[in-house]
Amino acid sequence: DAKTTQPTSMDCAEGRAANLPCNHSTISGNEYVYWYRQIHSQGPQYIIHGLKNNETNEMASLIITEDRKSSTLILPHATLRDTAVYYCIVRVAGQAGTALIFGKGTTLSVSS
Amino acid sequence: GAVVSQHPSRVICKSGTSVKIECRSLDFQATTMFWYRQFPKQSLMLMATSNEGSKATYEQGVEKDKFLINHASLTLSTLTVTSAHPEDSSFYICSARALGGETQYFGPGTRLLVL
Repeated sequence: DAKTTQPTSMDCAEGRAANLPCNHSTISGNEYVYWYRQIHSQGPQYIIHGLKNNETNEMASLIITEDRKSSTLILPHATLRDTAVYYCIVRVAGQAGTALIFGKGTTLSVSS
Repeated sequence: GAVVSQHPSRVICKSGTSVKIECRSLDFQATTMFWYRQFPKQSLMLMATSNEGSKATYEQGVEKDKFLINHASLTLSTLTVTSAHPEDSSFYICSARALGGETQYFGPGTRLLVL
C-alpha cells in the first residue's frame, strides 16, 4: 500500500473548521483513502473514505485532489471532543484479508 | 457504524500468568479480524491477522507461541498472551471487517499491565 505523509500536529480553535492535509503521491488507481481518528486511550474510530470523488458524511468531508496525490479531511465546526490523533491511510480495495497499516498521524488539538 | 467489543477493558496480572482477551463483532459477521498493539506515544502496530476457521498470520517479529489467536466463529476472536512479562504491558486493540465489506472497525482496546 502507498505511504502517506501528514503533519505531526495541528491546532484549531473551537467552532472553526479543521483542515487536515495528507499527501499520498504514490497512490495507485485502486487504492482508497481512509481517515480514522483515535481519541486518547480508545480504539480508532472510522471517519470517512473515498476513491476519487469528494465525500461527505455526518462527521466530516473528504476532499481528494484530481490527481489523487493528496487529500484533506475537513471537520467543519471543530469541538473540544475532536481533539485526537487523525490517521490518513491508503489501502487497495477488495482485499478483505489485508489490514490497515497505521502511520504516525496528525495530533489535532482543539482549544476554546 | 458496525460495533466491535473487547473484554476485558483492562487487566492487571502477575508475571508468568496467561491472559485471554476476547474480541466480538456485535452486529456483523467477520471472516477476518486483526490484532494490534500500541505502546505509549506510539502508533498502532499490526500483530496478526485472524481468519475464521484457520490459523492466524503473524507479522514479522511477533511470536505465535506467545500470542495465541483463535478465531472459532464469525463473531469471535481471542488473543491469549501466554506467560506474560512486564514488557508485554501494552494497549491491545482488535479490529474486524464485515463479510464483503471494505471498512475496518475497531474495538475499544484492552489495557494490559503485567507486574
